[in-house]
Amino acid sequence: GQQLNQSPQSMFIQEGEDVSMNCTSSSIFNTWLWYKQDPGEGPVLLIALYKAGELTSNGRLTAQFGITRKDSFLNISASIPSDVGIYFCAGPVASGTYKYIFGTGTRLKVLA
Amino acid sequence: DADVTQTPRNRITKTGKRIMLECSQTKGHDRMYWYRQDPGLGLRLIYYSFDVKDINKGEISDGYSVSRQAQAKFSLSLESAIPNQTALYFCATSDSTHGGREQFFGPGTRLTVL
Repeated sequence: GQQLNQSPQSMFIQEGEDVSMNCTSSSIFNTWLWYKQDPGEGPVLLIALYKAGELTSNGRLTAQFGITRKDSFLNISASIPSDVGIYFCAGPVASGTYKYIFGTGTRLKVLA
Repeated sequence: DADVTQTPRNRITKTGKRIMLECSQTKGHDRMYWYRQDPGLGLRLIYYSFDVKDINKGEISDGYSVSRQAQAKFSLSLESAIPNQTALYFCATSDSTHGGREQFFGPGTRLTVL
């Protein structure tokens, strides 16, 4: 079945550093979603990407839809303590459906 | 007030007990989902419903059942709980009339089966 692999699984970074994480799929996606889960909360959508090569920003966050359509990247610039949490990528199980498969998550910990 | 609420937030139960987790939403969305989250495994879909008369199995439906009592309510049942169902459970909603891509999650229910 489909799998979404996220890398890295976890990371510690210094406050102020830039962060990069990625998500790869075993199949082609036509949509990529990036969510963040704060401790004790449900995931919240950060960025949605709808076509290959698309680059979209949301404040200090920038996400890209890979041109192969099998990967996506999320960058956080100048990290701050509230960036702590788990970041998930997600993509549709099949084109035109609204069932999504989620990646395994990247846990971000920021050292002040 | 939260748009997607889940009750209870925490539950400890024993093997073999029947458990119901409830989800309510005030967003007016037609689609509702149940996921479980396990460390290192991300979120996995248990069941989903695209309207009141539509119920579909997700990737890990064995041992679970659901009921869509109304557009705003979607409950998840464990008929006979077992320890490997210990997990964090999330309900989510989406709106098909606005593309349906974004899912809005509840705060989660932490279930422990002893």
